Amino acid sequence: DAKTTQPPSMDCAEGRAANLPCNHSTISGNEYVYWYRQIHSQGPQYIIHGLKNNETNEMASLIITEDRKSSTLILPHATLRDTAVYYCIVRVGKLTGGGNKLTFGTGTQLKVEL
Amino acid sequence: DGGITQSPKYLFRKEGQNVTLSCEQNLNHDAMYWYRQDPGQGLRLIYYSQIVNDFQKGDIAEGYSVSREKKESFPLTVTSAQKNPTAFYLCASSPGLGYGYTFGSGTRLTVV
Repeated sequence: DAKTTQPPSMDCAEGRAANLPCNHSTISGNEYVYWYRQIHSQGPQYIIHGLKNNETNEMASLIITEDRKSSTLILPHATLRDTAVYYCIVRVGKLTGGGNKLTFGTGTQLKVEL
Repeated sequence: DGGITQSPKYLFRKEGQNVTLSCEQNLNHDAMYWYRQDPGQGLRLIYYSQIVNDFQKGDIAEGYSVSREKKESFPLTVTSAQKNPTAFYLCASSPGLGYGYTFGSGTRLTVV
């Protein structure tokens, strides 16, 4: 299983872009990169996922390097409500079984401040 | 509205008692999962189920049991064999391979 490495914490000023990095140097060719976030004492919330190409949705953008060994989640205009723990996850998936289990590490605590 | 519901939100039990945590979803998702989270830690997978009447152990299944008699329901029993049951328990579901998870709001279990 590919493992991920994230900084334990980051700060960001409100209104600025928050760029959260993730290293996944042992990722396999058929493994996706997922991002979730967890606001204190709530269930994690899905943000975005991608395989090779950059992805964008209403919440964030995901930039994956060409060699797929790292990625960056971008929150274009961070607000106080974006303060949360952000998890970068590489999907452990097998087409014939084992499901699409997601393994959560300790993530990055993003603190958005005025 | 479709979603995934965990109940109760807070649960207190005496040491040595079994306790069952409820997880119900009306998203028509095939797969369901139970995770445990300890303070300052990431989520650890307890059990998962890809289909009705089938489930698999996760990374920390000892002291837990599950059933999947209905597609909508995936209850988790924390047995007296679980050495340190006090934790935040999260249930999730997904349509299947390649899709993201939808999480419930969690149950905080405290054993006294």
